Amino acid sequence: AQSVAQPEDQVNVAEGNPLTVKCTYSVSGNPYLFWYVQYPNRGLQFLLKYITGDNLVKGSYGFEAEFNKSQTSFHLKKPSALVSDSALYFCAVRALIKAEGNKLTFGGGTRVLVKP
Amino acid sequence: DTGVSQDPRHKITKRGQNVTFRCDPISEHNRLYWYRQTLGQGPEFLTYFQNEAQLEKSRLLSDRFSAERPKGSFSTLEIQRTEQGDSAMYLCASSLVEPFYEQYFGPGTRLTVT
Repeated sequence: AQSVAQPEDQVNVAEGNPLTVKCTYSVSGNPYLFWYVQYPNRGLQFLLKYITGDNLVKGSYGFEAEFNKSQTSFHLKKPSALVSDSALYFCAVRALIKAEGNKLTFGGGTRVLVKP
Repeated sequence: DTGVSQDPRHKITKRGQNVTFRCDPISEHNRLYWYRQTLGQGPEFLTYFQNEAQLEKSRLLSDRFSAERPKGSFSTLEIQRTEQGDSAMYLCASSLVEPFYEQYFGPGTRLTVT
């Protein structure tokens, strides 16, 4: 069965500093990996995805993520955080093999708080 | 912007009552998914459709839950004989067919069972 771990419940960072949100995954075969962001009382918004190719993926709002197959990680990064980046971030994985179906499996989420 | 829409946004019901939620996906998307999210947790997969066919159901989806997508467009999720443990945010998402396409989520329906 596929799974995702987000080891930090909350990440605090000062505005202008680099932001990193950690994610590790477990899946049979090669993964599709996704990051979503959720603002209060709203649905999830897609940020970026890794399918294949370059290990560094760039997404919306200046976010990027690095796929590391040997460490089974897909950490989300932003070089300079903004107060408006404060939200709940979810990492998700989908396996390529048919046995795992088409569902996304999400991590438990990491709350990011960017202080002015 | 014609994103995924869900109705109602909030539903308060008494234990034992039936509730039905509606999801309208992005128009060109063939796949439609239902997830459940409880406070402080990530979304959990419930079921998904490709066009009108329900292709996968989670073990989380008890017999009290049923989902339909009769014409391959909108979908409904019904919960019969609601229980307090059903209180959660119910999220709908849609995507194109190929597996590497991202899923786009609606705003969710928050269910409170009293």
